Amino acid sequence: AQTVTQSQPEMSVQEAETVTLSCTYDTSESDYYLFWYKQPPSRQMILVIRQEAYKQQNATENRFSVNFQKAAKSFSLKISDSQLGDAAMYFCAYRSGDTLAGSYQLTFGKGTKLSVIP
Amino acid sequence: EAGVVQSPRYKIIEKKQPVVFWCNPISGHNTLYWYLQNLGQGPELLIRYENEEAVDDSQLPKDRFSAERLKGVDSTLKIQPAELGDSAVYLCASSSTSGKNEQFFGPGTRLTVL
Repeated sequence: AQTVTQSQPEMSVQEAETVTLSCTYDTSESDYYLFWYKQPPSRQMILVIRQEAYKQQNATENRFSVNFQKAAKSFSLKISDSQLGDAAMYFCAYRSGDTLAGSYQLTFGKGTKLSVIP
Repeated sequence: EAGVVQSPRYKIIEKKQPVVFWCNPISGHNTLYWYLQNLGQGPELLIRYENEEAVDDSQLPKDRFSAERLKGVDSTLKIQPAELGDSAVYLCASSSTSGKNEQFFGPGTRLTVL
């Protein structure tokens, strides 16, 4: 079974600074997807960024980028120019790429609570 | 385009009472998921539907939990009877089989069992 580990229960960052959230995962599969979701107090999970395992290039979405190290099974999220609205729980998630087997299940880590200091 | 809609947003009940959660997925999304999120944890899948068929319910505690997705659109999740340990957030998500299969989440229902 796949597992996702987020070793930082809480992080804080000064507004306009950069912060990196860590995530490691364990899998025997070669084809999979990794995601970072943001969950503000409103509880709505919002997709921040996704990475296909077969792509070597790290995904970027505006101020958000990832450092995907497939051999190390590491998938960290970097938030640049942090804004007050970035304060939320951030969850790393894994999904198998074997959709023929019907494995659409997302396996989540326990999350990292990010605080942004004005 | 409307997102995933869930109701109620909050529910407080006494133990042993029944409770029903409702989810309306994004129009055209044939895959629907129910997740359980305990405090301080990430969501865990309870059940997944492809149209009206439950294709993965291995994590659903079938002694007290049941789900339906009649007509392959809206879905309900029912707990009967509720126990103190069921206090959590229940999230619904949907996705389409085309494109990137991205799951879109609703705002969840926070259940408190007294």
